[in-house]
Amino acid sequence: NAGVTQTPKFRILKIGQSMTLQCAQDMNHNYMYWYRQDPGMGLKLIYYSVGAGITDKGEVPNGYNVSRSTTEDFPLRLELAAPSQTSVYFCASWREIIAGGFSYNEQFFGPGTRLTVL
Amino acid sequence: GENVEQHPSTLSVQEGDSAVIKCTYSDSASNYFPWYKQELGKRPQLIIDIRSNVGEKKDQRIAVTLNKTAKHFSLHITETQPEDSAVYFCAASAGLRVGGSQGNLIFGKGTKLSVKP
Repeated sequence: NAGVTQTPKFRILKIGQSMTLQCAQDMNHNYMYWYRQDPGMGLKLIYYSVGAGITDKGEVPNGYNVSRSTTEDFPLRLELAAPSQTSVYFCASWREIIAGGFSYNEQFFGPGTRLTVL
Repeated sequence: GENVEQHPSTLSVQEGDSAVIKCTYSDSASNYFPWYKQELGKRPQLIIDIRSNVGEKKDQRIAVTLNKTAKHFSLHITETQPEDSAVYFCAASAGLRVGGSQGNLIFGKGTKLSVKP
């Protein structure tokens, strides 16, 4: 399994430009998430999806859009890039495993996309 | 909404000592509390988590305790090793459902742990 993959790794945008951050997972996980991480800070949830065709806003959704047409792919769209969107973006998938009367959770993050808006 | 505070912001220990990181949360409906480790320049890793129906959980050298009354939870690392050096983040969510999503996680600002050989 490749796990969670993200492209591109780095990108520099000019103010007002648009771009799509790609995220894919090959583990057949229903739950996928987009986070941003500003320098020296924790993660903030942008959007998440509980399955194909279903998306919902997280803590900081303004300026972003997502779609989930397949289980595998969860792209994040920036329509009008602003300097405040300079950050590292992580995509993640999550699943709960129930076995032998116990449950535990697994979460897999992509390698991140470092985005700079100038 | 939920607010998560994490202390200390930096922690330095000698190899072999224990390390404790504490987080408080504000939303009494929060029911899921994961901890993440992030090495410099790397992606976060989920290292342990606890649900609100459990008071303590242990996995080898790491453990998490939860006090719902006081609304705080802690990460304990015993017999620390240099490879434990990283930034640790706590988080809380009120949205965990059995068999469902982890919900909208709110993160603390992180603790930079340094383990000196």
